Amino acid sequence: GENVEQHPSTLSVQEGDSAVIKCTYSDSASNYFPWYKQELGKGPQLIIDIRSNVGEKKDQRIAVTLNKTAKHFSLHITETQPEDSAVYFCAASNGAAGNKLTFGGGTRVLVKP
Amino acid sequence: SAVISQKPSRDICQRGTSLTIQCQVDSQVTMMFWYRQQPGQSLTLIATANQGSEATYESGFVIDKFPISRPNLTFSTLTVSNMSPEDSSIYLCSVGLPGRETQYFGPGTRLLVL
Repeated sequence: GENVEQHPSTLSVQEGDSAVIKCTYSDSASNYFPWYKQELGKGPQLIIDIRSNVGEKKDQRIAVTLNKTAKHFSLHITETQPEDSAVYFCAASNGAAGNKLTFGGGTRVLVKP
Repeated sequence: SAVISQKPSRDICQRGTSLTIQCQVDSQVTMMFWYRQQPGQSLTLIATANQGSEATYESGFVIDKFPISRPNLTFSTLTVSNMSPEDSSIYLCSVGLPGRETQYFGPGTRLLVL
């Protein structure tokens, strides 16, 4: 089955700096890669996603890149703000296998004012 | 997107008892899933809730321990049976909209088993 590795497990950045989280996946059949943000006491919230036919996607301060050949994808947050502090999860799924999500281990991001 | 509610939001239970968690969506959805998130950990898929038929369980999860119902396209329940302290987790339902891979998560049910 699919295996998703996520690094780093914790990330501390100064407000205004950029944060980068990296994930690798094992199943070349995976074709959909969402990123979720989970704040304390809440369920995961989808913040951005990318499909395998696209190499990069951007939404304001958030961007995701995908390298299908290397089987890795990354989340980039620019101009970080204290409200970006949360746990971020990457995931992968294969539409032909029922869209079941396999999650990475998570990254705890702390943005210091 | 979809608005998803879960009941209860949290509970404290005694070992050996069972708890049924409800997931309600404000629109008809094709896919409904149940996940477990152990303390400080990532999310693990328990099962896919199939409308009108038995749920499809992932390796390591069985129907006797986690019976699931999905009577229609907007509602599902997960029961955690014969609970032990190791079942203390957040239980999350997620839904997939027709024709889309995107999954949206409910707020979760925080379960503590004593």
